Amino acid sequence: KAGVTQTPRYLIKTRGQQVTLSCSPISGHRSVSWYQQTPGQGLQFLFEYFSETQRNKGNFPGRFSGRQFSNSRSEMNVSTLELGDSALYLCASSQDEGYYGYTFGSGTRLTVV
Amino acid sequence: KNEVEQSPQNLTAQEGEFITINCSYSVGISALHWLQQHPGGGIVSLFMLSSGKKKHGRLIATINIQEKHSSLHITASHPRDSAVYICAVRESGYSTLTFGKGTMLLVSP
Repeated sequence: KAGVTQTPRYLIKTRGQQVTLSCSPISGHRSVSWYQQTPGQGLQFLFEYFSETQRNKGNFPGRFSGRQFSNSRSEMNVSTLELGDSALYLCASSQDEGYYGYTFGSGTRLTVV
Repeated sequence: KNEVEQSPQNLTAQEGEFITINCSYSVGISALHWLQQHPGGGIVSLFMLSSGKKKHGRLIATINIQEKHSSLHITASHPRDSAVYICAVRESGYSTLTFGKGTMLLVSP
């Protein structure tokens, strides 16, 4: 059974650019959530999608957005990148909004220069 | 606002020692997760608890809902257990996770 796949694994972008990260959940999982991890703030919740609908959003500026497609794959987008957006971005999939636990991907490490 | 506190922040141990990592939280929860993160980033979900105790191999997780406290125990620790252990809670009525800062464990041979 394939795990959660995140692409790309590493990314270097310039301040002011935008970036799109992708997450393919485990087959059959309809919920995808996104998290940002930095050394200073630790893991923070970004947003959660269930059956193409955003269910919850964390306390991040509007530059951070996401969507989920009919096949449950999800993308998150960050526009007008800032140096402080450099982080490990993780996604996790679950069968039903986490009631049965989460499976995490390996993450995308974004560096903004 | 839900606060999730973990202790200790850092832990060093000799191979074979019994390890305990603690997690306390401030609001009612529907579930608590223990996660393991090795250098390089990937997170593995170890346990999901809503009550009582769970055991998997050398790992044991307990939760006391009344005291809003959970512990993760590692028996007969091994260098491959070296990782960051993160506690995360799912607040009652919400489907989002709030994370502790993590406990960095280093087990020496």
